Amino acid sequence: QKEVEQDPGPLSVPEGAIVSLNCTYSNSAFQYFMWYRQYSRKGPELLMYTYSSGNKEDGRFTAQVDKSSKYISLFIRDSQPSDSATYLCAMSGTGFQKLVFGTGTRLLVSP
Amino acid sequence: SAVISQKPSRDICQRGTSLTIQCQVDSQVTMMFWYRQQPGQSLTLIATANQGSEATYESGFVIDKFPISRPNLTFSTLTVSNMSPEDSSIYLCSVDGQNSGNTIYFGEGSWLTVV
Repeated sequence: QKEVEQDPGPLSVPEGAIVSLNCTYSNSAFQYFMWYRQYSRKGPELLMYTYSSGNKEDGRFTAQVDKSSKYISLFIRDSQPSDSATYLCAMSGTGFQKLVFGTGTRLLVSP
Repeated sequence: SAVISQKPSRDICQRGTSLTIQCQVDSQVTMMFWYRQQPGQSLTLIATANQGSEATYESGFVIDKFPISRPNLTFSTLTVSNMSPEDSSIYLCSVDGQNSGNTIYFGEGSWLTVV
């Protein structure tokens, strides 16, 4: 079993839809949770960062962490074609520890 | 966040040759990392580049294949040695987010194709 599981997609939605992207993990020591967006032929860009459980909102993006279920989500409201990209979750424990990445979910938002 | 520049952005390399990728950051950073992203795969950490000391390699990666230099706090190089088609990948330089937990920021990547 991988430490971090992420559905590879692709996930296809129409413009304006609410998108839900998810990751599950097995390591209960993970405390830091991140979402990266990667456009084709570009490096990953940090979108959201949360510590421990709870929600964090930034514009159209909301990150949720449920440590009891070992489940994290990224919601995108009013999705736009420009949101079409691969979304990678990443997480780590406390102290300086390397990030463990999911395999990424490819999102396609059609006009 | 820091601005991270990588060179080359892409290259086509002959089997058996070596290529050095450069990573320049616009500010001093403590930690620099090199990742590999093979086609359709997620990111795999190759090594942590330490200023003034040997790089720390992850399991499955060795210094002879991926020598790394870190001469100062803004620059690092990764060499991919004796390349084979299996080394065709994106190589990404990244730096720690300083005050943002364990976040890291990535450069644009170097796309290598080995023929």
